[in-house]
Amino acid sequence: GENVEQHPSTLSVQEGDSAVIKCTYSDSASNYFPWYKQELGKGPQLIIDIRSNVGEKKDQRIAVTLNKTAKHFSLHITETQPEDSAVYFCAASMGSNYQLIWGAGTKLIIKP
Amino acid sequence: NAGVMQNPRHLVRRRGQEARLRCSPMKGHSHVYWYRQLPEEGLKFMVYLQKENIIDESGMPKERFSAEFPKEGPSILRIQQVVRGDSAAYFCASSPGLARAKNIQYFGAGTRLSVL
Repeated sequence: GENVEQHPSTLSVQEGDSAVIKCTYSDSASNYFPWYKQELGKGPQLIIDIRSNVGEKKDQRIAVTLNKTAKHFSLHITETQPEDSAVYFCAASMGSNYQLIWGAGTKLIIKP
Repeated sequence: NAGVMQNPRHLVRRRGQEARLRCSPMKGHSHVYWYRQLPEEGLKFMVYLQKENIIDESGMPKERFSAEFPKEGPSILRIQQVVRGDSAAYFCASSPGLARAKNIQYFGAGTRLSVL
């Protein structure tokens, strides 16, 4: 079955710098890749997603890139701010399978 | 349009008691998922339900745990005879089940279960 690996487990960046979190997946049939942000004491919130027919998607300071050949996708956050501090999860899913397979999460720390 | 509603937010039980966690999906959503999360860990899939049907319960322990999503009312995750190891945050997510949006899951704020 599908397996999703996420790196790094912890990422500390200076406020204003960029942060990049990477995920790899094993099943080439996967075609949907969401990213979720979880703040302390809250449920995960969808922040951006990408489908396999697109290589890149942007939403203000957040972007996701997808490399289907290499089977990896990445989250890019530019001009980081203190409120970006949270745990970020990637996931992958196949079109015919509703279940999301989750990465282990990355704790992003923004240093003032 | 209210989001996914979970209650209670916090639940304290003694060993051997029953825990009932409720989840009301977003309006118009007919698919519900339950996840478990231990501190400092990721989300572990437990069960996926549609109205009146369990679609995938591969992540749910065979004993003591059960889930339902009746035609009317919220989805219920039930844990019988709780043990200390059941202490965790339990999250519910819902999705519309429509062709293009079927994978998109929206999460509730979770129920934090503490077993004394």
